[in-house]
Amino acid sequence: GENVEQHPSTLSVQEGDSAVIKCTYSDSASNYFPWYKQELGKRPQLIIDIRSNVGEKKDQRIAVTLNKTAKHFSLHITETQPEDSAVYFCAAPDQAGTALIFGKGTTLSVSS
Amino acid sequence: KAGVTQTPRYLIKTRGQQVTLSCSPISGHRSVSWYQQTPGQGLQFLFEYFSETQRNKGNFPGRFSGRQFSNSRSEMNVSTLELGDSALYLCATSQGGAYNEQFFGPGTRLTVL
Repeated sequence: GENVEQHPSTLSVQEGDSAVIKCTYSDSASNYFPWYKQELGKRPQLIIDIRSNVGEKKDQRIAVTLNKTAKHFSLHITETQPEDSAVYFCAAPDQAGTALIFGKGTTLSVSS
Repeated sequence: KAGVTQTPRYLIKTRGQQVTLSCSPISGHRSVSWYQQTPGQGLQFLFEYFSETQRNKGNFPGRFSGRQFSNSRSEMNVSTLELGDSALYLCATSQGGAYNEQFFGPGTRLTVL
């Protein structure tokens, strides 16, 4: 089945710096890659997603890039702010398209 | 639109007991997935239901089961509780499945003593 690996598990940056989180997936048929953000004590929420017909997608300070050949995708956050501090999860659907398989998460800490 | 709700929010049980958790989806959402969240293990997929049918099951023992009702509400049951079952149990609902945005509930925090 689908396996999603996420790195790093923790990431500390200074306010204003950029942060990059990388994920690899195993199923070459996968074609949908969402990212979820979970703030402390809250539920995960979708922040951005990408489908395999594009290589990059941006939404203000957040961008996701996809390399289908290498089977990896990355989340880029520019000009980080303290409110970006959270756990970020990447994910990919399994072969059946009914289960979303998540990476183990990256705890991002932005210090001011 | 009301969000996804889960009840109860907190549970304390002892080993060997069983527990039932409930998830009410956003109106119109027919897919309900359940996840176990523990520190360091992220979100582990338990199962997914769509129109009262289990379409997918993760790698969990048979003590974990679920069902979905005709109004799309879902329940999961854990029997013969073990200490290792202590976790946050999240449900996520969507219109169609893994290719749609998942809307998570607030979770049920289960503590097994």
